[in-house]
Amino acid sequence: KQEVTQIPAALSVPEGENLVLNCSFTDSAIYNLQWFRQDPGKGLTSLLLIQSSQREQTSGRLNASLDKSSGRSTLYIAASQPGDSATYLCAPLNQAGTALIFGKGTTLSVSS
Amino acid sequence: EPEVTQTPSHQVTQMGQEVILHCVPISNHLYFYWYRQILGQKVEFLVSFYNNEISEKSEIFDDQFSVERPDGSNFTLKIRSTKLEDSAMYFCASSQSTTDYGYTFGSGTRLTVV
Repeated sequence: KQEVTQIPAALSVPEGENLVLNCSFTDSAIYNLQWFRQDPGKGLTSLLLIQSSQREQTSGRLNASLDKSSGRSTLYIAASQPGDSATYLCAPLNQAGTALIFGKGTTLSVSS
Repeated sequence: EPEVTQTPSHQVTQMGQEVILHCVPISNHLYFYWYRQILGQKVEFLVSFYNNEISEKSEIFDDQFSVERPDGSNFTLKIRSTKLEDSAMYFCASSQSTTDYGYTFGSGTRLTVV
């Protein structure tokens, strides 16, 4: 059974810092991995999708990497802003392609 | 940008009552899902649906739950006899191709069972 762990659970930083959020998963037989953002009481917004054949994916100030063999992914946020404050969720897609499995997330707070 | 639409945004129901949660997936998507998130906990997979049948379900998705695509645009989750522990945010998601395009989630229905 796939288990997803995200470290740290919470992070508080001043505006402008570069951040790394970590995700590890126990079953490396995945199709892809998706990073989401969740604002309090809201839905999930997709940030990045990395295919299992890819090592990296970039969107603006966000960069996600994937090391499938070691069961790890990282989300790098450059020049953080207060608007980045949210919970970030990592979710690998199982090999059957039928279910995303979520970690508990990293709750980020960026102060101005 | 196309969206997954969920209604209602908040539903309060009495224990033992049946509820139906509604979702309109993105029109050209073929794969549909329900997830739930109990307050303060992680997002949990319930069920995936493709070609008018369930393709996978979790152990949470017991006989109390059912899904249906009653027409070409709606996707519903029914809970037959709600329990207090069913109180959660329920998210619908859809995908054009799970392996290539990822999931798009709706904004959720907050279900409160009293």
